[in-house]
Amino acid sequence: DAGVIQSPRHEVTEMGQEVTLRCKPISGHNSLFWYRQTMMRGLELLIYFNNNVPIDDSGMPEDRFSAKMPNASFSTLKIQPSEPRDSAVYFCASSQRTSGAQSTDTQYFGPGTRLTVL
Amino acid sequence: AQSVSQHNHHVILSEAASLELGCNYSYGGTVNLFWYVQYPGQHLQLLLKYFSGDPLVKGIKGFEAEFIKSKFSFNLRKPSVQWSDTAEYFCAVNAKGRSSGSARQLTFGSGTQLTVLP
Repeated sequence: DAGVIQSPRHEVTEMGQEVTLRCKPISGHNSLFWYRQTMMRGLELLIYFNNNVPIDDSGMPEDRFSAKMPNASFSTLKIQPSEPRDSAVYFCASSQRTSGAQSTDTQYFGPGTRLTVL
Repeated sequence: AQSVSQHNHHVILSEAASLELGCNYSYGGTVNLFWYVQYPGQHLQLLLKYFSGDPLVKGIKGFEAEFIKSKFSFNLRKPSVQWSDTAEYFCAVNAKGRSSGSARQLTFGSGTQLTVLP
């Protein structure tokens, strides 16, 4: 299995520009998570999807951030317009949602996208 | 809501020393517990996980963790660390057996940076 795939791995952009981060979850996984990691705030959950439906976006910083999951194998995180304080590593993770008392929902992380906004 | 505390922010050890990283969680129900490791410049990788059964869990690279329910703890241990263990370690928890259709979020601790001196 190729694991969670993210692109680009590095992105450098100027303030005000639109940024789109992409994620392909592990095949067969039905839950997808977007995280942001910074030195100051650590690892933060931004949004997660279950069966392509956004479940909780309370972690999204503000309206400049949006995420979509048009199908089970692709998701995007968009920042428009970008600001220097958005500079961070953005991780995507996926899991297989299971039900019942023995459920686990182990999340597997992608390599991340390092975003620098100048 | 659940929360996770990792009280050691930075641990420095010499090679061959024994390691124990603390993790305490707060949640009223049954949980799944995870340790992730993040090597410098890399993504989070699953080190080990506890779902049920034997509270002493063995993971990759000689790591193990013990779930002590009465103490709400899931400490990570390794008898003899190596320089290559230098990384950041994250404890995480999610709730087990919730009946809602939503994915169960992982709640992460703030991480412990381990530096192993050669």
